[in-house]
Amino acid sequence: KAGVTQTPRYLIKTRGQQVTLSCSPISGHRSVSWYQQTPGQGLQFLFEYFSETQRNKGNFPGRFSGRQFSNSRSEMNVSTLELGDSALYLCASSGTVANTGELFFGEGSRLTVL
Amino acid sequence: AQSVTQLGSHVSVSEGALVLLRCNYSSSVPPYLFWYVQYPNQGLQLLLKYTSAATLVKGINGFEAEFKKSETSFHLTKPSAHMSDAAEYFCAVRLLGGGADGLTFGKGTHLIIQP
Repeated sequence: KAGVTQTPRYLIKTRGQQVTLSCSPISGHRSVSWYQQTPGQGLQFLFEYFSETQRNKGNFPGRFSGRQFSNSRSEMNVSTLELGDSALYLCASSGTVANTGELFFGEGSRLTVL
Repeated sequence: AQSVTQLGSHVSVSEGALVLLRCNYSSSVPPYLFWYVQYPNQGLQLLLKYTSAATLVKGINGFEAEFKKSETSFHLTKPSAHMSDAAEYFCAVRLLGGGADGLTFGKGTHLIIQP
């Protein structure tokens, strides 16, 4: 069974630009979550989607948005990039409707903002 | 709201020695608890989880953790450390029935294995 796939793995942007990250969950998984990982703040929850609906959202500004498609693939978008948005963005999928929290993570997309 | 505290940002043990990584949680209701491991340039991999069944949970790679409600702890142990155990370890909590905050992670503990 293929794991969670995130693209691109690495990218460099400049301040003010926008970026779109993609995540393909494990086949059959309908829940996709996104996390931001930085050395200073650690792992922080961004949002969670289930069956194309955003179920939960973390404490991030509106510049951070996401969506999920009918095939469960998900994208997240960050507009008007700031230096502080440099981070590893991790996508995770889950197969349980009740969502006990067991997540399967991708390898992440490392974003550098210059 | 739930929170997680991992004591010790870095833990160093000798190869073959006991590994003990500490995790305390704060939650107003019984939680689900998890330990994840992250190797360099990789995502997180689930080691084990507690979901209100047995309090002693066995995971992969010889790790186990014990849920102690009275101490609000979920410490991770392994009897004998291997060099391959060197990685970052994260404790995480999620409220039963889900929660608006997703998984809440601790700051992580970097495990160093001395030869």
